[in-house]
Order: sequence, then C-alpha cells, then structure tokens
Amino acid sequence: EVQLVESGGGLVQPGGSLRLSCAASGFTFTNYWIHWVRQAPGKGLVWVSRINSDGTSTRYADSVKGRFTISRDNTKNTVYLQMNSLRGEDTAVYYCASLGGRAFWGQGTLVTVSS
Amino acid sequence: DIQMTQSPSSLSASVGDRVTITCQASQDISNYLNWYQQKPGTAPELLIYDASNLQTGVPSRFSGGGSGTDFTFTISSLQPEDIATYYCQQYDDLPITFGQGTRLEIK
Repeated sequence: EVQLVESGGGLVQPGGSLRLSCAASGFTFTNYWIHWVRQAPGKGLVWVSRINSDGTSTRYADSVKGRFTISRDNTKNTVYLQMNSLRGEDTAVYYCASLGGRAFWGQGTLVTVSS
Repeated sequence: DIQMTQSPSSLSASVGDRVTITCQASQDISNYLNWYQQKPGTAPELLIYDASNLQTGVPSRFSGGGSGTDFTFTISSLQPEDIATYYCQQYDDLPITFGQGTRLEIK
C-alpha cells in the first residue's frame, strides 16, 4: 500500500523553528519527486515546496523562500521540511504529496504558530 | 505562475442531479490536471488524473474532460456522500497551482 506519513507538527512561537518529516512506504521512493502543500484553517490548498528524486533540485513558494528548507534521505525513505522564522500566517495543516498523475497524499500534520 | 480559475465557488444541488465544475488554466497545460475531493478534517483524495482518467476505486459517476486550458469535472448523479469541497490542480509546471475550490452542498 502506497503511504506517506507526516509528523513533527505542533505549537511554536512566532520566530521559532520546526522540522516536519514525511515517511514513505509501499512504492519506489527514489523514483518520485515529493512536494509539501499547506492548507490554512478554512482555506484552500497552497503549494509550498518540491524536491526532486535524488535531492539535487529544490523549489519554493515565494512566501517561504529563505525560511524553509526541503531535503530528503533516500536511505530512510523520508523527506523533511525545516521551517525557520515562523510567522502566524504559516499556521496550517502541512501535507506531503506526490502531485503528478496518480497523485497521492499523506494525512497531514498541523502547525500552529502562536504566542 | 499558471493561474487556475475554478467555478463555481459553491454549489447546491439535489440528490440525483448532474453537477459540473469547471477549471480554466491561464495557459496551455495539455492534460496535466488532477481533480480532488476533500472532506472536512481529511486529506484531499484523488478522483481524476491526467484530466480524464478515473482513479482506481473511484465510482464511475465521477468523470473529467478537457485539455489545453479548459477542463470540466462532472458528477453524473449526485449522492449524499459526495458532499465535500472539490479542487483542480495543474502539474504542467512549477509552482504547482490549485483552483480555489468548489464547496458542494445538498439542496
């Protein structure tokens, strides 16, 4: 069974940091680009970042560029999202996903940025 | 960035009705389009990929069509369990972009 499982969310103060993990199973992980997508409470889906299959290429939304870093460890079948300098507007459920044809998503992890 | 304009933003229909949602891309995306269903508190679920292909296990009352810039998503006979928000998503180019969503309600 194809599966993505996010972890690492929680409550953090503005200016703080958090690292999200996305553990993959049930498919050939090294063949897939992986993305992070977020959804603020009551809002739509917004793409955040992408990493290619071997980790040599990354892309970011303008809203997180310079603050977030995506990486992957293909020996652990895991993708990470390091989030620094967090702001209130980063509060959202964060999903990891493969977004090409036959897309699949994890269940999401909630990040709340608040004092 | 490719803009995805989805309409309507909300829709009220009766059980058994035919429901159609449209999505327009700001430039040609060929058939690189997914449609999702999202219910409250859950992740989006893929219904249609490559604009018109039904994902395995998805009921045949769901269908998709179009190519280039204009796409449609149709539920042929609305069922109570179809109450959800629906999104289109292009994967022709980065950044990946989504439609604004269509909230579907039962009349």
